[in-house]
Formats: sequence, structure tokens, C-alpha cells
Amino acid sequence: DVKVTQSSRYLVKRTGEKVFLECVQDMDHENMFWYRQDPGLGLRLIYFSYDVKMKEKGDIPEGYSVSREKKERFSLILESASTNQTSMYLCASSSDRRNQPQHFGDGTRLSIL
Amino acid sequence: AQSVSQHNHHVILSEAASLELGCNYSYGGTVNLFWYVQYPGQHLQLLLKYFSGDPLVKGIKGFEAEFIKSKFSFNLRKPSVQWSDTAEYFCAVKGNNRLAFGKGNQVVVIP
Repeated sequence: DVKVTQSSRYLVKRTGEKVFLECVQDMDHENMFWYRQDPGLGLRLIYFSYDVKMKEKGDIPEGYSVSREKKERFSLILESASTNQTSMYLCASSSDRRNQPQHFGDGTRLSIL
Repeated sequence: AQSVSQHNHHVILSEAASLELGCNYSYGGTVNLFWYVQYPGQHLQLLLKYFSGDPLVKGIKGFEAEFIKSKFSFNLRKPSVQWSDTAEYFCAVKGNNRLAFGKGNQVVVIP
């Protein structure tokens, strides 16, 4: 079974801090994704990566960056956290093989004070 | 880019009632379609998917969805819901290697 693990379930940080959210998958998937989930807005794609050291902007990349140094790990970075980045962050991974769905982690609920 | 519309964000119904959640998408190319479910406190799970073939797709826990290409729709149905179906349901469309999600339907089943 696919396992996508996010490092923290809950996180509280202060405005202006640099925040790292980590995600690890154990299925050797090529593709990894970061979303944020907000009530009434569904899931919105922040960044995704289809290979090591490769990254693509999603729909709402502003204020975020990512890092993919190893295939199994995809990090989301908030360069200078702001209160409007308080949200649930979801990591997902998928295989490059045809017709494969994305598998999601449990999420990190991030609060910026 | 693709987009997805889900209607009736909040749905409240009694056990044994039938459920239908609407999903409409816009995308010019070939699409893959998904329904995901998120039970309270749990991660998103795949409920069912459509890639090609029979437009009526059966998923887990008695759910099914029908792809109607002419209507750009992929509606989710369950004939008789249970209290354990209380969850948030998301329709998603894959195009250009990216998933676009709808805003979700919060479904509450009253025992």
C-alpha cells in the first residue's frame, strides 16, 4: 500500500518565520504535489514536481517555494510566513505509469500567528 | 487549464436516502476523472476513477459515477447512504498531468 508521510500533523509558527513542511513517499513515485485545502475552496495546487530537482508552479505558488533533492522527498517552504497562509497542507504522489491516481498524506494543519 | 464545479456544498440527508452529487468540468482534451472522499480526521482517499471504456464506473462502498461526455459531467451516486458516509467528497479532473479539484461537497448523514 502506498504511504505518503507528512512530517507534522499540526504546526504553529509566527509571522515572518521560515517554515518547512516535509513529505516522504515510499513507492518510488516520480510525481509529487503540494496542495492547500481551505473550507469552501477545495484543494488548490501550489507546486508539483515530476522528477528530482524539477519543479513546476501550480495555481497559487506565491509566497511558497519547493525542494526535491531526492525522489522520495518533497519539501514545501514558506519563505516568510504570513497569517493568510494558515491552512491545511496536503502532499500527494503518483506514478508516471498510465492511469494512476494520486495518493495523499494525512495533511499538516499549519497556523501562523 | 481544466476547472471543476461542484454544486450544493452542504448536503444533509437521512440514512437509507439516495445521494447524488453533481460534478461538471471544463477541459478541451482527454480527461481522467476522479472522486475522492475525506472522512473526518482522515486523509483523502480515492473513491472511484474513470479513464476510458464503460462510462458507468463502480467504486468502493457502493458508490458509482457516470461519465456523460456530452454534458461534461461525472456525477456521483449511492442508492442508500449510511451514517458512515458522512464525509467531504471532491470531484477531480486530470489534464496535462495536473489534477484540478472542485470545492467539495460536505455530506452529513443523520442516523
